[in-house]
Amino acid sequence: QVQLQESGPGLVKPSQTLSLTCTVSGGSISSGGYYWSWIRQHPGKGLEWIGYIYYSGSTYYNPSLKSRVTISVDTSKNQFSLKLSSVTAADTAVYYCASLPEMATIGYFDYWGQGTLVTVSS
Amino acid sequence: EIVMTQSPATLSVSPGERATLSCRASQSVSSNLAWYQQKPGQAPRLLIYGASTRATGIPARFSGSGSGTEFTLTISSLQSEDFAVYYCQQYNNWPPRLTFGGGTKVEIK
Repeated sequence: QVQLQESGPGLVKPSQTLSLTCTVSGGSISSGGYYWSWIRQHPGKGLEWIGYIYYSGSTYYNPSLKSRVTISVDTSKNQFSLKLSSVTAADTAVYYCASLPEMATIGYFDYWGQGTLVTVSS
Repeated sequence: EIVMTQSPATLSVSPGERATLSCRASQSVSSNLAWYQQKPGQAPRLLIYGASTRATGIPARFSGSGSGTEFTLTISSLQSEDFAVYYCQQYNNWPPRLTFGGGTKVEIK
């Protein structure tokens, strides 16, 4: 069973870049069969998809965040990462990494990390 | 963007009773719809995908139905561990723009 674990700073200053890493265990990213995604949840609110990546490096982003988001993959470390630039207080949220099975229609999240709270504040 | 609307926002149910949660899409998503359960302080857990297929390990009391724009999650007999927030999510766009509903909180009556 795939397990995911987010890591990264819990506090980021406004205008800086938020950087998080998700470490995958129980399976190899380079084996394919999954896409790897980031999702966030503002405090007390609903869920927002940020983007996802395949092991080959192909990426798909939420158009509302696309100008500020970069998702990358490091198959040697079995990790994928999120960078969100020019953050403001509105980017304060719990950030989750998750996997999407490579099916005929891609898009539901079967395994999730526990989530990490990132606060944007000076 | 496809907007997902869930109703009701809060559902008060007694243990052992049936719960029916609704999810409506602003345009057809075919059967490309998933349901998740989220408990406080935890990540969401996949319950249903493809509108009606239970995920691995999900009890049979959870069932999903619908297609197009109208979907339902039914919990046939609520157990204490089922009180949580439930989200629907569509995945019908290409290029992808995955969107979630606002959630329904199922609370103890």
